[in-house]
Amino acid sequence: AQKITQTQPGMFVQEKEAVTLDCTYDTSDPSYGLFWYKQPSSGEMIFLIYQGSYDQQNATEGRYSLNFQKARKSANLVISASQLGDSAMYFCAMREDLTGGGNKLTFGTGTQLKVEL
Amino acid sequence: DAMVIQNPRYQVTQFGKPVTLSCSQTLNHNVMYWYQQKSSQAPKLLFHYYDKDFNNEADTPDNFQSRRPNTSFCFLDIRSPGLGDAAMYLCATSRAPDQPQHFGDGTRLSIL
Repeated sequence: AQKITQTQPGMFVQEKEAVTLDCTYDTSDPSYGLFWYKQPSSGEMIFLIYQGSYDQQNATEGRYSLNFQKARKSANLVISASQLGDSAMYFCAMREDLTGGGNKLTFGTGTQLKVEL
Repeated sequence: DAMVIQNPRYQVTQFGKPVTLSCSQTLNHNVMYWYQQKSSQAPKLLFHYYDKDFNNEADTPDNFQSRRPNTSFCFLDIRSPGLGDAAMYLCATSRAPDQPQHFGDGTRLSIL
């Protein structure tokens, strides 16, 4: 069974600083995908970044980058130049392909990020 | 422009009174998912449709049903809501199994 672990329930960062949110995973599947989602207090789930298990390079999307270390089974999210609007809950998730088609996301417990002035 | 739309944003129902939550998408994605997210917890998959094929998670209660009359719409029916069903319900879509899931804004369900 797949498992996602986020060990930081809460994080604080100062505006304009970089912050790393930790995520480790466990799976026996050779092919998998890792995602990061942002969930503000309003509740919507916003897709940030994706890393495939066979991707050679770390994924980047604007201020977001994913530090993928396959041997360590970690997929940490790095947010550069933090902004007040980055304050939210951040979920790491792993894709599991389902026999009926589509895929299932297994989510970690989340990290609540607070950006301060 | 919203691509996965959930209505209503907030829903209040009475204990035991059936309720339906709706989700529509303009992405023409093949797969639609329903997740339940209780307060301070991670989202949990209830079921998904791959085209018209319905796939139920093993631990989804029988009280929860779903319908997908066409590609664009998917409904979540809760036949007899209990207090423990109060949660945020998230709809998501994906174009293909290896592509990201795109979520709607969610419907926050309260049970009186």
